[in-house]
Amino acid sequence: AQSVSQHNHHVILSEAASLELGCNYSYGGTVNLFWYVQYPGQHLQLLLKYFSGDPLVKGIKGFEAEFIKSKFSFNLRKPSVQWSDTAEYFCAVNQAGTALIFGKGTTLSVSS
Amino acid sequence: DVKVTQSSRYLVKRTGEKVFLECVQDMDHENMFWYRQDPGLGLRLIYFSYDVKMKEKGDIPEGYSVSREKKERFSLILESASTNQTSMYLCASSFLLGEGGSYEQYFGPGTRLTVT
Repeated sequence: AQSVSQHNHHVILSEAASLELGCNYSYGGTVNLFWYVQYPGQHLQLLLKYFSGDPLVKGIKGFEAEFIKSKFSFNLRKPSVQWSDTAEYFCAVNQAGTALIFGKGTTLSVSS
Repeated sequence: DVKVTQSSRYLVKRTGEKVFLECVQDMDHENMFWYRQDPGLGLRLIYFSYDVKMKEKGDIPEGYSVSREKKERFSLILESASTNQTSMYLCASSFLLGEGGSYEQYFGPGTRLTVT
């Protein structure tokens, strides 16, 4: 079955530390890749997405992600996290015309 | 801006009650989706619809049904609520685009349902 795996359930960082959240998927063929974020008490928002072209994708708030096709991965990165990045992060994958399949999420806690 | 609204933010129901969760989107999207979100399990797809009166089962459709009579509205129905359906329910919508097309799902604020 198609699936999305997020490696870390809970990540704890200090402000200014670098962040990398892992995401792997099991689909074959062409995929669309997403990272969504859910801040405490807010609804899911799109951070960034990849459909084609440059495998390094830049999103909002200084986040970026790199698609590595050979590794079936789409890891999220940020060079220097802020307290306001405390949130839950979801990786999601789909193929054309189908619903998104989500990973189980990673909770990021940033201490000031 | 795309707006997806859900009828209630919080809902408390008793076991065995019939529960209706409503979702409305204002962007003329063809696709609409219902997910439930549980700690440690992420978002799991319950049902989706790609057109009026059309529906497809997702990963966990048991105990749920849906209705889409109008393009902008997608309802989730719990025929007989049970305590294991206590969860956060998220509605989403998107355009229906073919191969290689840009695709993004927009989410509503969620309904936190408690079944006692």
